[in-house]
Amino acid sequence: ETGVTQTPRHLVMGMTNKKSLKCEQHLGHNAMYWYKQSAKKPLELMFVYSLEERVENNSVPSRFSPECPNSSHLFLHLHTLQPEDSALYLCASSQGNRNYGYTFGSGTRLTVV
Amino acid sequence: EDQVTQSPEALRLQEGESSSLNCSYTVSGLRGLFWYRQDPGKGPEFLFTLYSAGEEKEKERLKATLTKKESFLHITAPKPEDSATYLCAVQAPGGSYIPTFGRGTSLIVHP
Repeated sequence: ETGVTQTPRHLVMGMTNKKSLKCEQHLGHNAMYWYKQSAKKPLELMFVYSLEERVENNSVPSRFSPECPNSSHLFLHLHTLQPEDSALYLCASSQGNRNYGYTFGSGTRLTVV
Repeated sequence: EDQVTQSPEALRLQEGESSSLNCSYTVSGLRGLFWYRQDPGKGPEFLFTLYSAGEEKEKERLKATLTKKESFLHITAPKPEDSATYLCAVQAPGGSYIPTFGRGTSLIVHP
């Protein structure tokens, strides 16, 4: 399998649940990202893992917790979410993070009930 | 205030009717400007990177151009399969290379 693969594609969870989103890239890239996409809003960067920088958006609530065990895998652990966290969560990768375009996965559509 | 503003928010065209999408930015010392295409239910797909004013890049019916204040994505003789949301992103000067995305333009091409 090639490209960036995200699982699951759809997730419905209650506010008291704990779940994890998984992202795997088969491109040999060395940087990975989590983005949140809500309707009518720009893509919002949540977390970055790369050899050159590690970035956390300070506005991301602590109920979102990233994990990057190696350069090919990225997780987003979810705990005690709110209905306003319902969105499309996108994973992306790049070779370096300078002037290269990102390769995005198809996303996980998350609904918090 | 948004650093990246895309217009129009939505655009409907007839097949074969050429038009342009706009991405204006307020940062100075641009490092790079990116265009992506996003189909419903999918992640964005990278199209182009532009680095300096005057630069142009083409791919099939799409041509991206860049000035010091804005970028245009020109669509020549569009087809229904060009229907998608087009996203623009800008890399500002400074320590981080993380780009800032615009809200996108939703394009629908009618047959």
